[in-house]
Formats: sequence, C-alpha cells, structure tokens
Amino acid sequence: AIQMTQSPSSLSASVGDRVTITCRASQGIRNDLGWYQQKPGKAPKLLIYDASSLHSGVPSRFSGSGSGTDFTLTISSLQPEDFATYYCLQDYSYPLTFGPGTKVDIK
Amino acid sequence: EVQLLESGGGLVQPGGSLRLSCAASGFTFSSSAMSWVRQAPGKGLEWVSGISGGGDSTYYADSVKGRFSISRDHSTNTLYLQMNTLRADDTALYYCAREAGYSSADKIDYWGQGTLVTVSS
Repeated sequence: AIQMTQSPSSLSASVGDRVTITCRASQGIRNDLGWYQQKPGKAPKLLIYDASSLHSGVPSRFSGSGSGTDFTLTISSLQPEDFATYYCLQDYSYPLTFGPGTKVDIK
Repeated sequence: EVQLLESGGGLVQPGGSLRLSCAASGFTFSSSAMSWVRQAPGKGLEWVSGISGGGDSTYYADSVKGRFSISRDHSTNTLYLQMNTLRADDTALYYCAREAGYSSADKIDYWGQGTLVTVSS
C-alpha cells in the first residue's frame, strides 16, 4: 500500500497568516491527490482534488500544488473558520490511503 | 443534492457481527464507486473498503480483509458493509463516501455523517 506522510502534525497560526501543509507519498501518484478539511464532530469536506483543482464552493484562499510524490496545501490568508484538521488522500490506487492529518489551531 | 445516510451502527461484543447500510440519493448511484471510511475516537481517517459502480470489483484495507464484505443494491440505492469477527480496534465512526469515478480509484467527493460502531464486552 502507498504510505502518506504529512507535516507538520500540528501548527498554531493567527488569522491572516499564510499556512502551508505538505504531504508526501511513498511512491509516485501522478496528481491523484486530494485535500480534506475536518472540523470536530463533522464529516470531512473535499477542498482540492487532482492536487490543484478547487472543489466547487471552496474559497479561493485554498490552493494546492505538486505532482509525483510531493504535494502542498496552502491557505493564503487564514480565516477563523479555517481552524480544523487537514488530511491528504491518495486516490491513485486501492487501497486508498490518508495522511495522518495536520491540526491547525489558533495561536 | 447528494445525500448519504448511514445506519446500522451500535454496540456489539468482540467476535460479533454488524451490517451497516448507506442510503444514497441525489445522484445516479450505479454510476459511482463507493467507499467506507472509518475514524476511531480521537484518531485520523482510515479507508476501509471500496466497490465499483457496477459492484463487480471490491477492495479492502488489509486490516479488514477476510472479515468485512462490501456490497451494493441498485434497486434501493443502498451501500452495505457486512462486518464479521469484530474486534475492539474496529471501534470507530464509519462514513459512507462517494467516489467521483466508476471503477478505478478516484477522489472521494461526498461523505455521509457517519454511524458509530462500538466493539466492547
């Protein structure tokens, strides 16, 4: 199975900050990677698919980049509603595998 | 509007069985692969199982292979997860999820709200 790692595991940031989260795959996965946001007690929501495409309804402050094994999620200006846990997911092949998550909280 | 409504969770003893259901609406059910994803209390997301749009291909995480079985009923637009020989580490919130594609692995674009499975004596 393809292993996914994420860094950092957590970060503290202020409203307005630029935040970057990275995800690395144990083998090349083309651009078959998605980013998800999960708030406590809620189901995850798709933010970015195919590494860099913005899902419908997602604010443009979210962006993704990367291909192969290294990927990045960037929040250009952190908003109060963005404090959450973020996961990457490779959908290159089964079994699908998630990264361990990055918790973004308030500094 | 895509809606996924899970049911069937509950408390079960170790070694027991449970069948989860997911009622799908708002899209052409037979055109989408589907998955189950779980989340243990306070932990991250773990993909459990997937099934192609036609139901002819199924996939499992190593942690559940041989114990869980995924299936779908196109007449009722329902996804199932039959869980046997349950263990304490199967305790989790189980999400039903839609994949954007039909047969090969694809992004998960919609999620249900989850059904809680607790395995304990």
